[in-house]
Parts: sequence; structure tokens; C-alpha cells
Amino acid sequence: DAGVTQSPTHLIKTRGQHVTLRCSPISGHKSVSWYQQVLGQGPQFIFQYYEKEERGRGNFPDRFSARQFPNYSSELNVNALLLGDSALYLCASSSGGADTQYFGPGTRLTVL
Amino acid sequence: QKEVEQDPGPLSVPEGAIVSLNCTYSNSAFQYFMWYRQYSRKGPELLMYTYSSGNKEDGRFTAQVDKSSKYISLFIRDSQPSDSATYLCAMNNAGNMLTFGGGTRLMVKP
Repeated sequence: DAGVTQSPTHLIKTRGQHVTLRCSPISGHKSVSWYQQVLGQGPQFIFQYYEKEERGRGNFPDRFSARQFPNYSSELNVNALLLGDSALYLCASSSGGADTQYFGPGTRLTVL
Repeated sequence: QKEVEQDPGPLSVPEGAIVSLNCTYSNSAFQYFMWYRQYSRKGPELLMYTYSSGNKEDGRFTAQVDKSSKYISLFIRDSQPSDSATYLCAMNNAGNMLTFGGGTRLMVKP
């Protein structure tokens, strides 16, 4: 069975631009969470969605938004990119909101 | 002060050694405790998942949780060069978000 998939693998943007990151959860999983991992640090929670409803939001500015689709895939959007948004963005899926989370390979975003 | 503290290392050990990795935390509401392994530029891979206090063993890995001391550990027996990675502890309180430590970089030398 396929694990969590994320696209793109890597992208480079300039300050002020907008970016959309995509995630497909493990088949049968209905919950998706997004995390930001800055180099040398642990992942920081951004959002969780369960059955297309937002279940949690971390301490991130309103420039960050997300949504979940009927097929349980998800998008993370970041507007007005800053240099500090450069990080590995991780998507994790779980069967329910409070269950074990399995991570995808991440999308590495570089903001110049 | 961070909610979850983890020594960043690097921790360098010879092949075959027993490795001890640790995290301390401050939020007594945490009930579920996890260890993830992360290779360079990859996503975290779940190694161990435990609930409340006690020990759990899986092959060469043993996870320990001491809720009274707010202290969790991961032991790796007969360490191998392929165990070289960053180890992340994570925890939550049956809610949604995982709270991670900063990770410990482990190097196992042949």
C-alpha cells in the first residue's frame, strides 16, 4: 500500500509569492495534519483536518491556510512568502484525529 | 522554556553499543508518546508508540515512559550504522497536534 504522498518534492519561490503544497493520505485515513520543520529543529504543528473540518490550528499567521477535499487529500497554502517560511513541510495522516500519525516525505520550500 | 526538551547531540557511538535517547516534558496532560526516526531530508518514520507509563519493546528498540518524572527514553540495542539518523520524540494528549522535541542526531560508527 502507498504511504502518504506529497507534491511537489522541492520548490523555490521568491519573497511575496504564494505557494500551494499537496498531500494524499494513506488509503482509508480520514485525517491530515500539516507540520513545518525548520532545519535543525523538530516539526511544528500548523493544521489538522478531519472529515474536511478543521480540528486544530497551531501558532502560525493567517498567511497559512489549508483545506481538505472529499477524497481526504489536502492542500496547504502560504501567501506573501517570507524568507523565514523556508522549511520542510510535512503532511501526516491518521485514521482518526487522535490516532497515530504517519508522515510523508515532505516538500522542501526555499524562499529567496 | 520549550514544552518538550531533547538533547540535540550529536551522539556518536561505536557499532554494537547500546544507545539511550531521552526527552523531558512539562505538560502533565500528555498521554501518548512516540519516537520517530528521520533520515536526512526525509520525512519522520514512526518507530515506537506508547500510552501512559511503562515499557514497550519491539526488536532492538525499547521505549520507556515515566509520567511521574515527565521523562521518556528510547533504547537501541546492538546499534548499527544504518541507525544513524535524527531521533525525534513526540507526544500528545489524545487531541490533534503532536508536540515534538528538537531531535537528537545519532551517529553509529562501524
